[in-house]
Amino acid sequence: DTGVSQDPRHKITKRGQNVTFRCDPISEHNRLYWYRQTLGQGPEFLTYFQNEAQLEKSRLLSDRFSAERPKGSFSTLEIQRTEQGDSAMYLCASGPDTSTDTQYFGPGTRLTVL
Amino acid sequence: GENVEQHPSTLSVQEGDSAVIKCTYSDSASNYFPWYKQELGKGPQLIIDIRSNVGEKKDQRIAVTLNKTAKHFSLHITETQPEDSAVYFCAASIGSGAGSYQLTFGKGTKLSVIP
Repeated sequence: DTGVSQDPRHKITKRGQNVTFRCDPISEHNRLYWYRQTLGQGPEFLTYFQNEAQLEKSRLLSDRFSAERPKGSFSTLEIQRTEQGDSAMYLCASGPDTSTDTQYFGPGTRLTVL
Repeated sequence: GENVEQHPSTLSVQEGDSAVIKCTYSDSASNYFPWYKQELGKGPQLIIDIRSNVGEKKDQRIAVTLNKTAKHFSLHITETQPEDSAVYFCAASIGSGAGSYQLTFGKGTKLSVIP
């Protein structure tokens, strides 16, 4: 499978705990995005990486959220001190430089905060 | 920022009929308009896209039209099949220079194809 992969697919945690999600983009895709999707809504942009540089962050990305892409390949999204409002599907997408706007999504990580 | 409105929120059609989903956008600088299909428990799947220098694009049973003046674009699915049943999202982005090309999505249309 050469698509975007995300791990874990599901995560249940208690309020106040920290969680970390991983995204592996399509090989050689330099652009990587994180989105959040709540029930009945479209995905909302969180942050964007060009290679290892985090170039854009949404106002939705509070101080409790941090994302990294240390070697320009896989990326991690960490949420500290989770709140019930963080419950959502976290989607990762990647895109090639050859088509600067096309984005391919992974299967997502479903987070449930109890 | 950009705002994308999508209608209808739900759509039921008989198998073999056509389905049309419409979206409007607010920012005239938007120049890329993809459509995604999302099945239950899965991530969005890119099914077709169109850029602002093109008025219409077709791929087998799926077509997309764009009216830049009116700032709206539509997805047309012909000869619908039960496997077309899913939630469809439209999106828009403003691509320029070194920008992120982040996508702004509509709220989705749940399409049900009745056998």
